[in-house]
Amino acid sequence: DARVTQTPRDKVTEMGQEVTMRCQPILGHNTVFWYRQTMMQGLELLAYFRNRAPLDDSGMPKDRFSAEMPDATLATLKIQPSEPRDSAVYFCASGLQAGDYNEQFFGPGTRLTVL
Amino acid sequence: GESVGLHLPTLSVQEGDNSIINCAYSNSASDYFIWYKQESGKGPQFIIDIRSNMDKRQGQRVTVLLNKTVKHLSLQIAATQPGDSAVYFCAGDGSQGNLIFGKGTKLSVKP
Repeated sequence: DARVTQTPRDKVTEMGQEVTMRCQPILGHNTVFWYRQTMMQGLELLAYFRNRAPLDDSGMPKDRFSAEMPDATLATLKIQPSEPRDSAVYFCASGLQAGDYNEQFFGPGTRLTVL
Repeated sequence: GESVGLHLPTLSVQEGDNSIINCAYSNSASDYFIWYKQESGKGPQFIIDIRSNMDKRQGQRVTVLLNKTVKHLSLQIAATQPGDSAVYFCAGDGSQGNLIFGKGTKLSVKP
């Protein structure tokens, strides 16, 4: 049963600390997405990769956030330095984008709390 | 900018009744729409999708209707069950090949 995995599931840290979230997409998928979910804003797209190349990271605060795919089995989202307003659930999703087929499979999320 | 939104933030229905969740979108070029269900503490889960060349698609107890003229889609759940209680998101494909999500409707099913 292929699924997207994310680590850690929960992270509590202090303001100013670096946070790294990891995602393993479903094998064979060619797209990876990072989302942030809060009660106020709902699901926000932070970054989007296709075939490991970043296509859109306009939703991401560039001064502190960075997203990478060092290889096809790993995507990372890093926040440095973290701030209390970064507290949210961060979801990774992967998909197989072929033509207009665009379904995304979501991981369980990383709940980040920045004190 | 592009947006996908829902008409109601919450919906409460009696068990066994039918539920209808509505969604509007702004990008007339969107070709593909998905409904997701998100249970508490979990990631969104695919329910059903529809392409713009269709106006209706049925799944198991769920039906999605697409009205391209008014840029509106709806999710109908037949014989709603307590296990259907969740937040439901509609999403449409954006101009960048990504998905644009609405803010969600919370469905509560009363026993």
